[in-house]
Amino acid sequence: EVQLVESGGGLVKPGGSLRLSCLASGFTFSNYPMIWVRQAPGKGLEWVSSINGGSGYIFYADSLKGRSTISRDNAKNSVFLQISSLRAEDTAVYFCAKGDQSSIWYTLPDYWGQGTRVIVSS
Amino acid sequence: QSVLTQPPSTSGTPGQRVTISCSGSSSNIGTNYVYWYQQLSGAAPKLLIYRSNQRPSGVPDRFSGSKSGTSASLAISGLRSEDESDYYCATWDESLSGVVFGGGTKLTVL
Repeated sequence: EVQLVESGGGLVKPGGSLRLSCLASGFTFSNYPMIWVRQAPGKGLEWVSSINGGSGYIFYADSLKGRSTISRDNAKNSVFLQISSLRAEDTAVYFCAKGDQSSIWYTLPDYWGQGTRVIVSS
Repeated sequence: QSVLTQPPSTSGTPGQRVTISCSGSSSNIGTNYVYWYQQLSGAAPKLLIYRSNQRPSGVPDRFSGSKSGTSASLAISGLRSEDESDYYCATWDESLSGVVFGGGTKLTVL
């Protein structure tokens, strides 16, 4: 059974930084792209970043480009999202998701974690 | 404004068939697979349709997806009260080099 468990969310002051983690199990982690998606309160889903299995293909949404870094540790079945210079508009639930297809980097999520909440406020 | 356009809301009565549209462009839906997600209130999204028209195991065959040109649709037949939820379409956009989502459609079962 595929399981994705996010951690690292919390209350952060504007301008601060945060490192979100996602621990995966139930599939061959290194074979699949991993994706971060966020959802602001009362809003829709917004893609944040994607990384392929070998970390050779990495993409960011414009809203976080230059302020975020996605990475993965295949030995630890984990993917990370570091966000700096946090703003109020970064307040959201951040979901980690597994990519559907192992062979391409531009794949979409199939399995999702329960999310970790980030609140940016002074 | 979302890159993919969905109606903000739709409704139906139990047993009815409803469809939710998702409109895009040649750089996204016109080129890549469309995925559909169901998000019950307060929960994580759940995959309903993948690769435009494939259903994961466990998803009832009341749910079906289709794609034509730069548009896609999700159809729900035999509507049930538990289908009341938010639904999102998504795909990869070649121009943006990223995943794009529709704004979401809130389905109400009357």
